Amino acid sequence: NAGVTQTPKFQVLKTGQSMTLQCAQDMNHNSMYWYRQDPGMGLRLIYYSASEGTTDKGEVPNGYNVSRLNKREFSLRLESAAPSQTSVYFCASKVGRGSREKLFFGSGTQLSVL
Amino acid sequence: GIQVEQSPPDLILQEGANSTLRCNFSDSVNNLQWFHQNPWGQLINLFYIPSGTKQNGRLSATTVATERYSLLYISSSQTTDSGVYFCAVGDVYGNKLVFGAGTILRVKS
Repeated sequence: NAGVTQTPKFQVLKTGQSMTLQCAQDMNHNSMYWYRQDPGMGLRLIYYSASEGTTDKGEVPNGYNVSRLNKREFSLRLESAAPSQTSVYFCASKVGRGSREKLFFGSGTQLSVL
Repeated sequence: GIQVEQSPPDLILQEGANSTLRCNFSDSVNNLQWFHQNPWGQLINLFYIPSGTKQNGRLSATTVATERYSLLYISSSQTTDSGVYFCAVGDVYGNKLVFGAGTILRVKS
């Protein structure tokens, strides 16, 4: 039981390049999320998927696209990377609602855009 | 949208000391959670606490929803408590949790 797995762990891109961050969870959770973490700003929601086949924008969706490929996988794509997208990216999945709600996070992807 | 402010931004403790971290939020919430990010970047849920008080070992949390704040208490701190503590708030479905900027805690032995 691996939990939430993100790949890659590190990536360096040049401005204008594209890439896809992969995320998979093996806990049969419906909801999945992509966050970015910048120094002094906490985590900000980029996109989320409440269930297979649905995706919605979060606080900072500009410059990103997502795909909920199936229940397990939720990918984040940067079509034309910009230096402002240098950040640490976290994928998460959620189980339960209310007092039983719990988020499980991946180990993060450090992305640098030069 | 909801604003979340955490204080203090930075805290240094000697091992064995107690501490209180605060989270203020700007609007009514139905979801409030505390998270710990260890020095290696891993994020772990600590509490789901939109109101009331909960305890888990040396950690406890209290949320006074009517006054729009939550407190995280760490007693008898250990070096393994070091890291960043985040408060996050949202609506009842929790799909759009808004995180505070975090409190960086360093516990020295």
